[in-house]
Amino acid sequence: GESVGLHLPTLSVQEGDNSIINCAYSNSASDYFIWYKQESGKGPQFIIDIRSNMDKRQGQRVTVLLNKTVKHLSLQIAATQPGDSAVYFCAEQLSGGSYIPTFGRGTSLIVHP
Amino acid sequence: KAGVTQTPRYLIKTRGQQVTLSCSPISGHRSVSWYQQTPGQGLQFLFEYFSETQRNKGNFPGRFSGRQFSNSRSEMNVSTLELGDSALYLCASSLKSSNEKLFFGSGTQLSVL
Repeated sequence: GESVGLHLPTLSVQEGDNSIINCAYSNSASDYFIWYKQESGKGPQFIIDIRSNMDKRQGQRVTVLLNKTVKHLSLQIAATQPGDSAVYFCAEQLSGGSYIPTFGRGTSLIVHP
Repeated sequence: KAGVTQTPRYLIKTRGQQVTLSCSPISGHRSVSWYQQTPGQGLQFLFEYFSETQRNKGNFPGRFSGRQFSNSRSEMNVSTLELGDSALYLCASSLKSSNEKLFFGSGTQLSVL
C-alpha cells in the first residue's frame, strides 16, 4: 500500500481545549479509514472509523472528517482531557481482498492539566 | 470477552539467538496479524494468518516466520536475532481480515543485546 503520513509529530494542548490531529493519505483507492489511540505501554486501540462514502462521523467527544478531494483525514477531540494523552495513528485500508492496512507514523498528543 | 493476549510481555535476548512470541486472539476472531513497532519506522506489517494459512506477508527477511493453530492462536518466530530486531511486536486480531477494525494486544517488547 501507499504511505500514510501525519502532518504534526507532536501536539500540545491545554486541558479543555479542542484538539485536531491531521493525516494525509496517498492511495485514492482507499475506502476505509481508522483512527487508533496508543497509550504508553499498550497496543493501539480503535477510536473511530469512517468509510469513503461519508465525510464526517461523530463518536463520543471525537469526530473524524474525511476530505477525499485532497486525501486528508482529521481527528477532532472535544474538551481534551489528560487521559487523551497518547499517540494517535490513522490507518488507510481498501476493504475486501487482501489489501494490507497502512498506518501513519503517529502524532503524540500531550494534554497539559 | 477477553482481549488479545500476548506473551511474554518482555524479552531480552542476545544476537544470534532465536525467539518465539505468542498471541491469543479474541474468541471468535480468525484473522491474526503481526506488526513490528519501532520509533523510527512506526508500525510495520509482518504477516497475517487466517485459518492456519499465511494470507499476507510484509517486507521482512525470512528470519521472521509465523504460524497459526487450529484454535486461531498464533506464534511468530525470529531466528538469528540482530540488534535491529529490538522492537515492540504487536499482534492484532479481527473477525475475518486485517482489512477490518483491528484489536491489538499490549505487545511483546523485545530487546536484543
